[in-house]
Amino acid sequence: DGGITQSPKYLFRKEGQNVTLSCEQNLNHDAMYWYRQDPGQGLRLIYYSQIVNDFQKGDIAEGYSVSREKKESFPLTVTSAQKNPTAFYLCASRQGIYEKLFFGSGTQLSVL
Amino acid sequence: QKEVEQNSGPLSVPEGAIASLNCTYSDRGSQSFFWYRQYSGKSPELIMFIYSNGDKEDGRFTAQLNKASQYVSLLIRDSQPSDSATYLCAVRGGSQGNLIFGKGTKLSVKP
Repeated sequence: DGGITQSPKYLFRKEGQNVTLSCEQNLNHDAMYWYRQDPGQGLRLIYYSQIVNDFQKGDIAEGYSVSREKKESFPLTVTSAQKNPTAFYLCASRQGIYEKLFFGSGTQLSVL
Repeated sequence: QKEVEQNSGPLSVPEGAIASLNCTYSDRGSQSFFWYRQYSGKSPELIMFIYSNGDKEDGRFTAQLNKASQYVSLLIRDSQPSDSATYLCAVRGGSQGNLIFGKGTKLSVKP
């Protein structure tokens, strides 16, 4: 069954801690994306990757890092430099820039 | 700064009525337009997309696009309580083709 899997569903971060959100897809899509959603707000692009071993910053990349070592995987690390990390994080993928975007189920990150 | 604007709502309609959701965008060169439905605490789900001026119908949903007015809308006929959700408008723009999302309109369908 093809899809995008995000884990964990809920994540808690302590002060000064880095945390990593997992995103895996078995749709054979080339492009993958990370968005952040705050309550009552739209989706804001953090990072995206069009091909393996390449990625670009989105609109709000500060305090985040990513890697794209495999086509199927695009993990997001929320570093201690991100001072306001509490949000709903969404991973998405699509085959090409003219194709439709599909989302994983999301990770809710909160600060302890 | 490319922008997508939506009324935040809430938009309240009675069951069986037509719900009309509107979206305007700033980038005149935008080519592709999408409507996503998002239930509370869940991820967005694509329900409609439109590329050409005019109407596109899929079941109870109709997307309408007017590129000259930079306006896209979503009509939901025979609204059901299960349609109660936030509807996100997204526009593809820029050289990388990334989607720009509006903040969403919250729809409430009353039984």
